[in-house]
Amino acid sequence: GAVVSQHPSWVICKSGTSVKIECRSLDFQATTMFWYRQFPKQSLMLMATSNEGSKATYEQGVEKDKFLINHASLTLSTLTVTSAHPEDSSFYICSASNGMNTEAFFGQGTRLTVV
Amino acid sequence: AQTVTQSQPEMSVQEAETVTLSCTYDTSESDYYLFWYKQPPSRQMILVIRQEAYKQQNATENRFSVNFQKAAKSFSLKISDSQLGDAAMYFCAYSRPGNQFYFGTGTSLTVIP
Repeated sequence: GAVVSQHPSWVICKSGTSVKIECRSLDFQATTMFWYRQFPKQSLMLMATSNEGSKATYEQGVEKDKFLINHASLTLSTLTVTSAHPEDSSFYICSASNGMNTEAFFGQGTRLTVV
Repeated sequence: AQTVTQSQPEMSVQEAETVTLSCTYDTSESDYYLFWYKQPPSRQMILVIRQEAYKQQNATENRFSVNFQKAAKSFSLKISDSQLGDAAMYFCAYSRPGNQFYFGTGTSLTVIP
């Protein structure tokens, strides 16, 4: 299957700072990338969908000014958590699609801890 | 809106035995895919099995098979000859080609030696 690399795998940051998470499709062009958030022992909840070259579409209840998503190329999407607070601590997972995929290609996930 | 329901938060099975995980979904679409993903403690999502809605034949992958009942919108996963490495969180998911995935709430599977 296709490879999606997510970086970093874990990060600790101080309250009030921003942290950027990268999601790269290594061997295919990802026209669409999806960002999910997962709390402990819970399911993956879609945060936003990003299409290359256009603004991301956020799910209801997700603050677009707090979770900035950029999809500037066909192989890279970034999620920036701005002014992070402890309640933003979670596991964030990206997945990538070339628009025709019949399966999701997931990154390894990023565990964010805000102290 | 599409919803995926897993009614079993936790399941356990004896090693070498068979276990079935349940999943139901709701959609008005006719072209879609259903999946079972495994999430071990590493939290990497691993595809277990996939079913195309237009196929009547149930998908199988070695020890893993599904019972796909399209009219009932049911999609259960059967794990045969359970192994210790099968212990994980299992998520049922729905998707349309190229689109987002909708996940169930997950079933935590314990394999008892």
